[in-house]
Amino acid sequence: GQQLNQSPQSMFIQEGEDVSMNCTSSSIFNTWLWYKQDPGEGPVLLIALYKAGELTSNGRLTAQFGITRKDSFLNISASIPSDVGIYFCAGQKGQGNLIFGKGTKLSVKP
Amino acid sequence: GAVVSQHPSRVICKSGTSVKIECRSLDFQATTMFWYRQFPKQSLMLMATSNEGSKATYEQGVEKDKFLINHASLTLSTLTVTSAHPEDSSFYICSARGPRYSTDTQYFGPGTRLTVL
Repeated sequence: GQQLNQSPQSMFIQEGEDVSMNCTSSSIFNTWLWYKQDPGEGPVLLIALYKAGELTSNGRLTAQFGITRKDSFLNISASIPSDVGIYFCAGQKGQGNLIFGKGTKLSVKP
Repeated sequence: GAVVSQHPSRVICKSGTSVKIECRSLDFQATTMFWYRQFPKQSLMLMATSNEGSKATYEQGVEKDKFLINHASLTLSTLTVTSAHPEDSSFYICSARGPRYSTDTQYFGPGTRLTVL
């Protein structure tokens, strides 16, 4: 099925560094969601975005809904070891099903 | 956030047997529940969508007679993998969407690891 273009595919960073990842689509979405998945667990919702241009923070996480409604980014500031995991973006059109990106695997070196 | 549970968390079964996985929304009424399948190092793939009291809608390529879904109440949906085979081994994840929280937000369960021998 349709998937979003999520990049980078993986990141290996030093503790304390900032992280940025993004998702792009060829079509417009009404909602952008960012999830984090730990190994052997289900995805946990981090941030939900509902309006174009919206910038929302959740602790050290900040996400933005692109003005064109075709993209979104997630930033993590001052990364810590527990930030390790796979981050998924998901787009939604109206009440339609979620369309997921392929994920960004984040590794943090202490 | 909303809490969604799944049971069992992992199951090992013999080929040819059937396995039932439960998904419960613990603190809200889920008008819609979703079932996903995830293979190692891959993203989530939607299998089916179910609304309380009606038949599930299956995605293309998903066999409805093999993956039986029942959404009998606003807090419970079940997925039964019938006559399981080794290729059905996967990580199955449910999610729920309901009226108490934003209707556009899905909350996921912790997943069920199915291994078919």
